Amino acid sequence: NAGVMQNPRHLVRRRGQEARLRCSPMKGHSHVYWYRQLPEEGLKFMVYLQKENIIDESGMPKERFSAEFPKEGPSILRIQQVVRGDSAAYFCASSPPSSLPDKAFFGQGTRLTVV
Amino acid sequence: DQQVKQNSPSLSVQEGRISILNCDYTNSMFDYFLWYKKYPAEGPTFLISISSIKDKNEDGRFTVFLNKSAKHLSLHIVPSQPGDSAVYFCGCITQGGSEKLVFGKGTKLTVNP
Repeated sequence: NAGVMQNPRHLVRRRGQEARLRCSPMKGHSHVYWYRQLPEEGLKFMVYLQKENIIDESGMPKERFSAEFPKEGPSILRIQQVVRGDSAAYFCASSPPSSLPDKAFFGQGTRLTVV
Repeated sequence: DQQVKQNSPSLSVQEGRISILNCDYTNSMFDYFLWYKKYPAEGPTFLISISSIKDKNEDGRFTVFLNKSAKHLSLHIVPSQPGDSAVYFCGCITQGGSEKLVFGKGTKLTVNP
């Protein structure tokens, strides 16, 4: 039973390019959360999704950022026209439906570097 | 507006002694609290949790204390071991709400042999 899989582990993008971060939740998990950790900062909530639905996107910047969790396939966090300030570690967590957050498991993260 | 605060960015203790990590929150709607541990280049892993109906939860060397009136929780590790050296994040959530887990900035614990 594989854990939460994030890929790529490391991603380098030039300013203005698009970044796509993927998260495959654990088997049986239908809830996905994305968090961002800026250097010297804590984990900042970005978005909470269930299959085909965005439940809470209050932590997502209004522009350039989008997230989806389709019926089939991984959850995708998409950042358009990246800027240097987007450089951070992006973590995905998944949990089963109707569970306490104790059951949320994190992936190893994607480290995005914008050059 | 930071709803969850971990005011000590770092803490250093000797092996065998007690480590006490603190966390304060401002949102009175939070009713479930968790501690996560994070090693460099890895994702956070769940450590221990406590519901607002309790004031203490213990799991081996780890104990979490909750003071609802002060909106304060703490994690005690005793005895501390070098392998406990990591960043510890306090997380708070409102059950039945948006289920958004809000974290503090973390405290880097170093346990010296």
